Amino acid sequence: SQQGEEDPQALSIQEGENATMNCSYKTSINNLQWYRQNSGRGLVHLILIRSNEREKHSGRLRVTLDTSKKSSSLLITASRAADTASYFCATDPNTGGFKTIFGAGTRLFVKA
Amino acid sequence: GAGVSQSPSNKVTEKGKDVELRCDPISGHTALYWYRQRLGQGLEFLIYFQGNSAPDKSGLPSDRFSAERTGESVSTLTIQRTQQEDSAVYLCASSPRTGGYGYTFGSGTRLTVV
Repeated sequence: SQQGEEDPQALSIQEGENATMNCSYKTSINNLQWYRQNSGRGLVHLILIRSNEREKHSGRLRVTLDTSKKSSSLLITASRAADTASYFCATDPNTGGFKTIFGAGTRLFVKA
Repeated sequence: GAGVSQSPSNKVTEKGKDVELRCDPISGHTALYWYRQRLGQGLEFLIYFQGNSAPDKSGLPSDRFSAERTGESVSTLTIQRTQQEDSAVYLCASSPRTGGYGYTFGSGTRLTVV
């Protein structure tokens, strides 16, 4: 089963609204990353949060991490049509290897 | 180069043929990963290389799949006797080191087995 699972699977919002996506995982981790994918091809790294961090910001992105609940959220504020994409969380499990595990993604559609 | 380069970008092959996919990582990136993504799904880990260490091949789905990397440069993913279920986008990513760094992905190779 997936180490990271995103919720919701799909999200449709109006331009200007905020979008929140959640990720849950099963094992302890070294860090958690969020990626964006347009048109089913290469992924773009958005942000990395380490296991000892609780919140991180990058422009309109805000990521939180709750290791006690094994969950993370990605908030995109003041969304734009160009934010339409699939968003994936990825975890580096703290199991002695570096097999980064990706979830199935959240498909975000921002309507202009 | 400036980014991760994958070739070919698209490949259509007949069932039973062998295919070879290529990845050129960012110069100086010691870690290289291969993932497979079926339509509408997440990324499935296949293999990773870290410098001259033994690769982690635990994600390869069958012995028809193999991958090589020469030092810290180009990697090739080979699929022998392709099957229709091998149809997917194969993504390569590189990173300065394993652990604690975001990856830079290539644009992928879309493989279609007919």
